[in-house]
Amino acid sequence: DVKVTQSSRYLVKRTGEKVFLECVQDMDHENMFWYRQDPGLGLRLIYFSYDVKMKEKGDIPEGYSVSREKKERFSLILESASTNQTSMYLCASSLSGQVGEQYFGPGTRLTVT
Amino acid sequence: KNQVEQSPQSLIILEGKNCTLQCNYTVSPFSNLRWYKQDTGRGPVSLTIMTFSENTKSNGRYTATLDADTKQSSLHITASQLSDSASYICVVRAIYGNNRLAFGKGNQVVVIP
Repeated sequence: DVKVTQSSRYLVKRTGEKVFLECVQDMDHENMFWYRQDPGLGLRLIYFSYDVKMKEKGDIPEGYSVSREKKERFSLILESASTNQTSMYLCASSLSGQVGEQYFGPGTRLTVT
Repeated sequence: KNQVEQSPQSLIILEGKNCTLQCNYTVSPFSNLRWYKQDTGRGPVSLTIMTFSENTKSNGRYTATLDADTKQSSLHITASQLSDSASYICVVRAIYGNNRLAFGKGNQVVVIP
């Protein structure tokens, strides 16, 4: 059974803290993605990776960085958390190819105070 | 301008009734379109995928249609159940674009007894 797990369901951090969100998939997928989801805005792509150590910026990469040292793990890093980064963060993975379904994790609700 | 527009933004329906959700897109050249269901507090899960040559596809009580000429898709829910209360997200992929997807903002459906 397909599985994407995220390290935390809920997280509360202070402004200025460095925040790590971890995502692990067990499907040997090449592609991994980080999105944020906000009411009225839908899902927006932050970063994605199509191979180990490879990354590409999405639509809203400012204030974020990522790391992919192993195929199954993709980390999102908030270098200095700000209140406007309060959001739901969703990780996804997929096989390469045009019809590859993206499988999503359960999400991390991050609150920055 | 968003490349994927969904309507209505939200709707309330009585249990047992049918409803239809609309998705219009401008993504080109078109590869495929997926409808995802997202329960509250969970990640999206794929319901159907429609490719260029497909007009209709069913998954239980969910039926998706695609008109690639007018760039429109619909998701029809038959005999709604309380468990159908969710956000339904239309996601379109272009032939090019390195696995990037265009997301609609979702149709929020609430089924009441």
